[in-house]
Formats: sequence, structure tokens, C-alpha cells
Amino acid sequence: NAGVTQTPKFQVLKTGQSMTLQCAQDMNHEYMSWYRQDPGMGLRLIHYSVGAGITDQGEVPNGYNVSRSTTEDFPLRLLSAAPSQTSVYFCASSGSSANEKLFFGSGTQLSVL
Amino acid sequence: GENVEQHPSTLSVQEGDSAVIKCTYSDSASNYFPWYKQELGKGPQLIIDIRSNVGEKKDQRIAVTLNKTAKHFSLHITETQPEDSAVYFCAASSGFGNEKLTFGTGTRLTIIP
Repeated sequence: NAGVTQTPKFQVLKTGQSMTLQCAQDMNHEYMSWYRQDPGMGLRLIHYSVGAGITDQGEVPNGYNVSRSTTEDFPLRLLSAAPSQTSVYFCASSGSSANEKLFFGSGTQLSVL
Repeated sequence: GENVEQHPSTLSVQEGDSAVIKCTYSDSASNYFPWYKQELGKGPQLIIDIRSNVGEKKDQRIAVTLNKTAKHFSLHITETQPEDSAVYFCAASSGFGNEKLTFGTGTRLTIIP
């Protein structure tokens, strides 16, 4: 059981480049989300989805796009990378009922130069 | 929106002693309060959670207490062991499930052998 799989684990970008962080889960979870983790700031929600075809903004959505064409996949797109987007990104998923556990991937460390 | 404050940011405890981490939240509608443990290079992992209709919950050496009137909740780890060394995050949500969790800024717990 792979759980939540994120790729790549590490990425270095130049300012202005675009890229997609991949996230896939094999638990048939309806809910998926993206967080960024910065020193001293905890985890902040970027975007989330409660099911295929449904996405919504979190606390820090600017500069990021998401889509949810399948239940399994929830990619995060950086349209034009900026140094302020240097961070560790975590994808998470859970079922949609009240007592479901949130599972996190192992993270993607992104540096924007 | 919700604001979660977590204290202390670092905590060193002698092996075998107890550790307490405290969080306060701002949104009185919040009803779900999970705690996550993050080991180096890994994603956060749920260790215990509590809902607003319960004042205390225990799971072996770990317990969480909730005071809705004061809007604060705490994590208690007893008989600490070296493997308890990690970063711990509290979170709060007013949603039905895990959507729109707001995290605290984290506590780095170090167990001194």
C-alpha cells in the first residue's frame, strides 16, 4: 500500500520557470490538499479538493494552480516560480467522513533561485 | 479565519519525564483538534485527535485535553523516550472532516537520554 506519493522529492528552479508537483494516492480518498511548510510558520493550506472536479483555495493560493480530474491525482502547478515559493510542499489525503485520518506524503523540497 | 498559536517552540525533556505542548485557537466554531508528529525528512503523521464533545482522550503514553471555554488544547506525553524526539504540530478545523485544517507553528521536542 503506497499511500500518498509525491514526486519529485527535490527540485531546483530558476525564477520564472513553471513546473508541476505530482501527488497521487491509492486509498480512494475523496479529500486531497496541498500545504507548504516554512520555518517558524507551520503548515499553510494552499489548495484543497473534496472530490474529482472540485477544488477550492486555502490560505495561500496565489501563484499556484490545481486541478482534480481523477480521484487519485491532485497536481500542484507553479505558473511562474518566485523565490518566495522556496519551501517544502506536502500533499495530504483523507476520506470524507467525520473520523477519517489525514495522510501526508513525504514532501517535495523546492528551491527557486 | 482561524488562528492557532502553539507554545513552546522548543522543548527539551529528560528521558522518562513528561512533556506538555499547548495550543490556543481563535474560532469558537472549531470542533476538531488533531496533533501530528513529524520526524526529520518525513511528512506529518497523526498521533491523536479530539473533537469538541470530548474533554480528554488518551492513547497509551499520549493524551490530549480540550478546554472549549478557554479555547485551548494540550498534548501530554508521559514517560518520554528518545523516539519521541520530533516536531509536533497542533491543528484546528471547523469543517466536517479534514478540510481547511489550520496548523500551529510547531514544537521541536528533544528527549535527553
